[in-house]
Amino acid sequence: QAQLVQSGAVVKKPGASVKVSCRASGYPFSSYAMHWVRQAPGQRLEWLGWINAGNGYTRYSQTFQGRIIITMDTSASTVYMELSSLRFEDTAVFYCATHLIGNDVWGQGTMVTVSS
Amino acid sequence: SYEVTQPPSVSVSPGQTARIACSADVLPQQNVYWYQQKPGQAPVLVIYKDTERPSGIPARFSASRSGTTFTLTISGVQAEDEADYYCQSADRFAAWVFGGGTKLTVL
Repeated sequence: QAQLVQSGAVVKKPGASVKVSCRASGYPFSSYAMHWVRQAPGQRLEWLGWINAGNGYTRYSQTFQGRIIITMDTSASTVYMELSSLRFEDTAVFYCATHLIGNDVWGQGTMVTVSS
Repeated sequence: SYEVTQPPSVSVSPGQTARIACSADVLPQQNVYWYQQKPGQAPVLVIYKDTERPSGIPARFSASRSGTTFTLTISGVQAEDEADYYCQSADRFAAWVFGGGTKLTVL
């Protein structure tokens, strides 16, 4: 079955960058877009951006434009999300997710903690 | 980009019908999806393409659309349905837009 497996929790200092990976399996990787969503503690879901896994086209939320880069390694069926210039308020669970036909798949989430 | 609005909370007794509305300020370019999220868990899709139910989701979950308002209906609410519910659509660039989430409390 389709599955997304993300990298583990990390702790970063303010100003640093974080790179989270999302490895896909069980479906044709290049046929679907991959989205990144985050959720700060007790807060709503917030969309960060997406990548077309077929051609690498990306689009980012204006909120994160300039601080986020989404890339992929097709040979490894893996998408990466890098967020730079981290602030305390970036502390959140980051999810990768994709809409398949008739369903969708979410990663298990990666906790990113920004702490001095 | 556009915005979608949900009520922050809805409360119902077990066995009753819960309705959660999602209002868009303009007609969404793409379909609406509904997610259920329980504490500490990733969201789970309960409705896709406005009204379709994924396999494995109980038939008590349904949805409808009227103009720019989308409604998730849970008939015969059970205690296990207590969760946060989010509607999600997308703009013409496929950027996802989430509602603020609705906390469903089963009394």
